[in-house]
Amino acid sequence: QSVLTQPPSVSAAPGQKVTISCSGDSSNIGNNYVCWYQQLPGAAPKILIYENDKRPSGIPDRFSGSKSGTSATLGITGLQTGDEADYYCGTWDIGLSTGVFGGGTRLTVL
Amino acid sequence: VQLVQSGSELKNPGASVKVSCEASGYTFTTYALSWVRQAPGQGLEWMGWINTRTGNPTIAQGFAGRFVFSLDTSVSTAYVQISSLKAEDTAVYYCAALFCSSGSCWFDFWGQGTMVTVSS
Repeated sequence: QSVLTQPPSVSAAPGQKVTISCSGDSSNIGNNYVCWYQQLPGAAPKILIYENDKRPSGIPDRFSGSKSGTSATLGITGLQTGDEADYYCGTWDIGLSTGVFGGGTRLTVL
Repeated sequence: VQLVQSGSELKNPGASVKVSCEASGYTFTTYALSWVRQAPGQGLEWMGWINTRTGNPTIAQGFAGRFVFSLDTSVSTAYVQISSLKAEDTAVYYCAALFCSSGSCWFDFWGQGTMVTVSS
């Protein structure tokens, strides 16, 4: 059982928009920044969003992140078949210097 | 910048294994290094991290005892050694470069993963 809760799966049609939620509490999301990672099939994870809503260079603006209280959301617009992947939220407790991941959400682009 | 990990391992229960993670393309001490486990068909599990400047390791609850993090700064390489291997240690082990800025840290880039299989 992961500390951060994500839906196991989401799906949408190509071109549509999807959101993936990540729920925690005051000991993790509530007092720390949230990141999102994308893991394509058979590949290592890759940073997608850091500091709640910032995109590293090379990540298209179809991907967005937000945080409110003890929850965070990843949004993906203009879905493409290449977006089919597992998505993980994560936080880093800057005080304790420990990390935690959500259980992951599998995105299917129908 | 990249992290290149050692190849797949097949070990008997009770044996030990040492997985390496070689950094290149940047100054080794710029990033701390974390280890992440992914059991077959499962999610990511944070194992801990090692400070590449001091060599001080922090191991997550659930990994204390059989898991040891170490460095060889002369070859820009981090290691995780797992002793007394069990079937449930079967997983892909990733190293990931931890970048921190202004009260926030994230895993900036990852190694390709090392599959460790524990089976007799």
